[in-house]
Amino acid sequence: DQQVKQNSPSLSVQEGRISILNCDYTNSMFDYFLWYKKYPAEGPTFLISISSIKDKNEDGRFTVFLNKSAKHLSLHIVPSQPGDSAVYFCAASGNTPLVFGKGTRLSVIA
Amino acid sequence: GAVVSQHPSWVICKSGTSVKIECRSLDFQATTMFWYRQFPKQSLMLMATSNEGSKATYEQGVEKDKFLINHASLTLSTLTVTSAHPEDSSFYICSARDLGRAFYEQYFGPGTRLTVT
Repeated sequence: DQQVKQNSPSLSVQEGRISILNCDYTNSMFDYFLWYKKYPAEGPTFLISISSIKDKNEDGRFTVFLNKSAKHLSLHIVPSQPGDSAVYFCAASGNTPLVFGKGTRLSVIA
Repeated sequence: GAVVSQHPSWVICKSGTSVKIECRSLDFQATTMFWYRQFPKQSLMLMATSNEGSKATYEQGVEKDKFLINHASLTLSTLTVTSAHPEDSSFYICSARDLGRAFYEQYFGPGTRLTVT
């Protein structure tokens, strides 16, 4: 049973436009959510996180939105840059080890 | 700060042999270390959680006699894949959590690509 789902395996966006990556979860005990960026043959790099007491967190070009009632979160990247091309993983925790989604491969086209 | 290293970064071994992967926290004390594996185009799957000085806790479906985890010091954990088979070929990633930090505050290593021939 997949507790964290990223239903889009890939996404292509033009440089300068907004990238929106989505993530759904099923476990209502999750209270902290994170986004990681990963390049092939490298470990994940932390991007941004959000606590369940908030509905939005912003850091530069990256904004994460959380809709608790829908058990949905999204990562917005604006403006998108070619260097953003990578696989993005959504992860969740409820004072437990992280549970990861399958990732979404983002390609930013110049 | 908060750097985690893994060694080796890639390894090729023959079927039936054992291989050891090291995970080190370079600038903090990692009371808890986590081991993940990732198959191509798949999620990072947690294999086990190890606390310094105690036995590792394995996730359901992970064979503890095959994947031996040792966390003997606050800066080093090792994963030994015993009697490796081609289906063990995967990307293994460790992460570490500092003392007193929340579960989600993990720092990841760069990963180790294991290929079993």
